[in-house]
Amino acid sequence: DVKVTQSSRYLVKRTGEKVFLECVQDMDHENMFWYRQDPGLGLRLIYFSYDVKMKEKGDIPEGYSVSREKKERFSLILESASTNQTSMYLCASTMPGQGAHEQYFGPGTRLTVT
Amino acid sequence: SQQGEEDPQALSIQEGENATMNCSYKTSINNLQWYRQNSGRGLVHLILIRSNEREKHSGRLRVTLDTSKKSSSLLITASRAADTASYFCATDAVTGANNLFFGTGTRLTVIP
Repeated sequence: DVKVTQSSRYLVKRTGEKVFLECVQDMDHENMFWYRQDPGLGLRLIYFSYDVKMKEKGDIPEGYSVSREKKERFSLILESASTNQTSMYLCASTMPGQGAHEQYFGPGTRLTVT
Repeated sequence: SQQGEEDPQALSIQEGENATMNCSYKTSINNLQWYRQNSGRGLVHLILIRSNEREKHSGRLRVTLDTSKKSSSLLITASRAADTASYFCATDAVTGANNLFFGTGTRLTVIP
């Protein structure tokens, strides 16, 4: 069965801390995505990756960076967390190929920055 | 922005009734997908409809697509309390890129 896991369900960090959110998929998918979800705004794409060591900016990349050293793992990094980054973070992966396919989501990480 | 919009934002119905949610989008697409999200969890894919299809069924789900109006609807028949969740539509980019654009969702509550 397809599985996407995220390192934490809940996380509380202080302003200015460096935060790592990890996502692992076991489906050998090339494409991986990081979204944030806020009430009334839906899901917004932060970064995505088509392959190892490859990354592309999404709609709201400011304040975030990513790392994809291995195919199965896609990390989201908040270099210096701020309160406006308090949100639900969702990771997803999908198979390669022309056009957008079904995305498989992890359970989400609810991050609170105080 | 290519982001879709769902309508209504919230819907409350009695168990056994049908629920209809609508989605409008702005640009040409290859396909449109519907996802479900239980409270505080990740999204789960429900159904994908391609731009050359007009209607698709999966169990109690019926999806329609009208590309001339840039709109889609999701119908859940004979609703159950377990259908309570948020429902999102997502569109792709006709350029063939792999990323999706999600709407803001419809919160469905099914009252037992």
